[in-house]
Amino acid sequence: DIHMTQSPSSLSASVGDRVTITCRASQSISTYLSWYQQKPGKAPKLLIYAASSLLSGVPSRFSGSTSGIEFTLTISSLQAEDFASYFCQQSYTIPYTFGQGTKLDIK
Amino acid sequence: QVQLQESGPGLAKPSETLSLTCTVSGGSISTYYWSWIRQPPGKGLEWIGYVFYSGSTYYNPSLKSRVTISVDTSKNQFSLKLTSVTAADTAVYYCAVIKDGYNSVDQWGQGTLVTVSS
Repeated sequence: DIHMTQSPSSLSASVGDRVTITCRASQSISTYLSWYQQKPGKAPKLLIYAASSLLSGVPSRFSGSTSGIEFTLTISSLQAEDFASYFCQQSYTIPYTFGQGTKLDIK
Repeated sequence: QVQLQESGPGLAKPSETLSLTCTVSGGSISTYYWSWIRQPPGKGLEWIGYVFYSGSTYYNPSLKSRVTISVDTSKNQFSLKLTSVTAADTAVYYCAVIKDGYNSVDQWGQGTLVTVSS
């Protein structure tokens, strides 16, 4: 299985901050990498697919990038509604696997 | 866009079979890949597998011996069966759909908690 190492596991930040979350794959996954946002008690929501493509309707403050096997989710200016958990997922090889998640809370 | 809704018992006994159904509305099940994903309380996400409308299936090898995912196109539903459950199978189970070529999980059901307990 491809292992996805996500960091940090938790992060405290303030409204307006720029935050970065990273996922490292255990092997090459091309750009088969997605980012999801999950709020407590809710299902995850797709934010970014193909490593850097923003899903329609997702605010432009969210962006994704890649450098080899390292993938980054950046929120350029945190808004109150962005405090949530974030997961990465590789969909290059079955079984599709997820990072362990990053919980983003208010400082 | 399609909507997905899980249904099924919220409690299963150890060694028994967990059975869930996902009803798809707002679109036909006769396209895309229909998935099950689970999340133990307070933990991360685990991909269980998916089924194509033709009936072709792909399962997580860690669960393959216990999992069956099937589709009923006449009812616009797909189902999950997980046999010989233990407490480790306690989780929120999500049905979901994969639409694009990058296999992203585009839409999710609201999830249903299944507790394995005697």
